[in-house]
Amino acid sequence: DIQMTQSPSTLSASVGDRVTITCRASQSISSWLAWYQQKPGKVPKLLIYKASTLGSGVPSRFSGSQSGTEFTLTISSLQPDDFATYYCQQYSSYVLFTFGPGTKVDIK
Amino acid sequence: EVQLVESGGGLVQPGGSLRLSCAASGFTFSSYRMSWVRQAPGKGLEWVANMKQDGSEKYYVDAVKGRFTISRVNAEKSLYLQMNSLRAEDTAVYYCVRLGGTEKEGGYFDFWGQGALVTVSS
Repeated sequence: DIQMTQSPSTLSASVGDRVTITCRASQSISSWLAWYQQKPGKVPKLLIYKASTLGSGVPSRFSGSQSGTEFTLTISSLQPDDFATYYCQQYSSYVLFTFGPGTKVDIK
Repeated sequence: EVQLVESGGGLVQPGGSLRLSCAASGFTFSSYRMSWVRQAPGKGLEWVANMKQDGSEKYYVDAVKGRFTISRVNAEKSLYLQMNSLRAEDTAVYYCVRLGGTEKEGGYFDFWGQGALVTVSS
């Protein structure tokens, strides 16, 4: 089974900061990785798929990149609406899926 | 507008059964793979089950194999999750989710329902 790890587990930042979250896969998943944002009490929202493709309506301050089995979600300038928990998800097989444990971004 | 509406959640005793339903609208339901994803209170997301468009393929996370069954009725635009032999660790919000993308490049979850809370407790 493919395992996903994320770092850090919690990140404290200020409005306007550049924020980077890392997700690592236990084996090659090509570019089959998605990122989601979830605010407290809300439904998860798709941000990025195929490692770097922005989801519909997602602001351009969000971006995704990849280096081998390491994936990065970057928020170029953190906005008040961005304080949330972020999850990565691998879908290399299209039938079995794994989420990362999540990274909570809170106010510094 | 894509909508996924879950129903059927509630309180059930350990060892009991529950059936979740998901009513889909706003898209051609029969053209999409569908999944269930759950989230235990205060915890992360866990994929539970996945079903091909015509029902010919079903996949489950190991933790629910043999106890949960995913099914669908395309004519009714409905997805189901039959949950048997429920355990305390199955307590979670269960989301009905659409898989985006093509068969070759898909597998991300592009639309989510609001979720149904299942509580397993005596």
